[in-house]
Amino acid sequence: GAVVSQHPSRVICKSGTSVKIECRSLDFQATTMFWYRQFPKQSLMLMATSNEGSKATYEQGVEKDKFLINHASLTLSTLTVTSAHPEDSSFYICSANSGNGNQPQHFGDGTRLSIL
Amino acid sequence: AQTVTQSQPEMSVQEAETVTLSCTYDTSESDYYLFWYKQPPSRQMILVIRQEAYKQQNATENRFSVNFQKAAKSFSLKISDSQLGDAAMYFCAYRTYYGGATNKLIFGTGTLLAVQP
Repeated sequence: GAVVSQHPSRVICKSGTSVKIECRSLDFQATTMFWYRQFPKQSLMLMATSNEGSKATYEQGVEKDKFLINHASLTLSTLTVTSAHPEDSSFYICSANSGNGNQPQHFGDGTRLSIL
Repeated sequence: AQTVTQSQPEMSVQEAETVTLSCTYDTSESDYYLFWYKQPPSRQMILVIRQEAYKQQNATENRFSVNFQKAAKSFSLKISDSQLGDAAMYFCAYRTYYGGATNKLIFGTGTLLAVQP
């Protein structure tokens, strides 16, 4: 089946550091990927839709300059948290649609980001 | 805009018993998809079951089945013969039918299911 790989699974870094998270579709091409943020015991909050070869579409309230998204190929999207601060600590999950969108989204295993 | 509501923040079931998780949604669209995802403590999102709105027959996957009531905009999940491994957060989700791969999922707030041995 369709597999989405997300890396790293866990990152701890100092405040002010920029952190890059990768999301790869391993056995299918994904023109669109999605980035979510999840706080403990809460639902997934969509941050942005990543489009291959074009700018990401951000949800209302998400800072574009804070959360940089790059989707340079059909199998890779990256989320960079710039100048991270403790309030950016969270669980970040990516997903992708395989096929023409009539298939379920496939999720990566998530990245737990902790900013000290 | 579409919304998804899960009115049960937490549920508990005895092992081997049956439990039903509720989900309602609001939409003006006639064609769409509905999903149930499971998120165990590992935080991995696992697809449990999927329903296309144009299908009247309720979807079934082994011990998991849904009761899809389109007119009532209700999409409940029934778990039969509950197992300890079923303990997880369950999310109901909606996705529009048209628009292809760019369609995003709209999630409910989740139901935390505990399974008692």
